[in-house]
Amino acid sequence: DIQMTQSPSTLSASVGGRVTITCRASQSINHWLAWYQQKPGRAPNLLIYRASALESGVPSRFSGSGSGTEFTLTISSLQPDDFATYYCQQYETYPLTFGQGTKVEI
Amino acid sequence: QVQLVQSGAEVKEPGSSVKVSCKASGGTFTSYTLTWVRQAPGQGLEWVGGIIPTFGTVHYAQRFQGRVTITTDESTSATDMELRGLRSDDTAIYFCAKGAVRLRLSYFEQWGQGTLITVSS
Repeated sequence: DIQMTQSPSTLSASVGGRVTITCRASQSINHWLAWYQQKPGRAPNLLIYRASALESGVPSRFSGSGSGTEFTLTISSLQPDDFATYYCQQYETYPLTFGQGTKVEI
Repeated sequence: QVQLVQSGAEVKEPGSSVKVSCKASGGTFTSYTLTWVRQAPGQGLEWVGGIIPTFGTVHYAQRFQGRVTITTDESTSATDMELRGLRSDDTAIYFCAKGAVRLRLSYFEQWGQGTLITVSS
């Protein structure tokens, strides 16, 4: 199985600040990586697919980069609505696997 | 755009089985990955299994092999997940999700609202 490791597990940031979350795969997944945002009691919401493609309707302050085994999600200017938990997910192969999540706190 | 609506919350006794349903409306789903993901209280997302109905092959996470069955019914545009031999650590919210790319493994752009399954005696 491909292991996905996110860091950090939790981060504290301020409104207007820049946030970077890292996701590492245990083997190459090319660019088959997605990022989701999840708020308590809600289903995950797709932000980024194919490592860097912005899902329709997602604000441009979200961006993704990387390929192979190392990926990042960046929020350029944190907004109050962005405080949530973020997950990466590989879809290179079965079994699908998620990172353990990064909680972005105030 | 497809919307996914799941069946309601259930409380089950240890050792019993549960079937969670997910009905798609507003579009087709047979060519897309349908997957089940669960989230235990305060924990992260865990993939349970998935299928592309056109191909018919179901893939399951190793830890659920033998305990879970995922089926689809094209006539009702629904997918079901049955989990047997329930244990207390199966208590979780179970989500269905639909892939975004036809006929291949994909990321998930549509999700059901989630179904809370509580396992307790």
